Amino acid sequence: GDSVTQMEGPVTLSEEAFLTINCTYTATGYPSLFWYVQYPGEGLQLLLKATKADDKGSNKGFEATYRKETTSFHLEKGSVQVSDSAVYFCAHNAGNMLTFGGGTRLMVKP
Amino acid sequence: DAGITQSPRHKVTETGTPVTLRCHQTENHRYMYWYRQDPGHGLRLIHYSYGVKDTDKGEVSDGYSVSRSKTEDFLLTLESATSSQTSVYFCAIGGAAGNTIYFGEGSWLTVV
Repeated sequence: GDSVTQMEGPVTLSEEAFLTINCTYTATGYPSLFWYVQYPGEGLQLLLKATKADDKGSNKGFEATYRKETTSFHLEKGSVQVSDSAVYFCAHNAGNMLTFGGGTRLMVKP
Repeated sequence: DAGITQSPRHKVTETGTPVTLRCHQTENHRYMYWYRQDPGHGLRLIHYSYGVKDTDKGEVSDGYSVSRSKTEDFLLTLESATSSQTSVYFCAIGGAAGNTIYFGEGSWLTVV
């Protein structure tokens, strides 16, 4: 069935380090792909999205490229900050609803 | 904020009692969703609605019912709460099936 798989955390980085969080998916057709971020005690917020192959979504220094050939949508940031500490969720719209990965906790140390 | 209000935000209840969580939106979105979030399981869809009085089951619907009598309100009811329903519940809204959805702040429910 349709699913989203992302790397398990926690991911611990020092400030200004490079970030990659892997996300792969299975789906029939060509879904839109999303990254959401959840800060402690809050709901999920849309971080970025891409709606077709080779599209690159970007926001707040984060980027992810829709790779149809590898069914992937990896999240990257060149220089993380302490304020980026949060849980990140990859998702796709399989059918008429969003399906989420299990989430990856990112911890950034000063 | 996406104009979503969940109530109550925190609740402790006893096993076997009924509980209703309310989601109210001011965005006039057609689609509304209820998710639960648990450690090790991520987000799982309980029920969703695609219009007034139009609802459907999600991945983990057993033990839950929903109602949508107005566009702006989507209620989630636990008829007889169990400890396994201790969770954080998120309401979400969206304009079209499968497109970007926007989340509320969450409702923390503890069943003792």
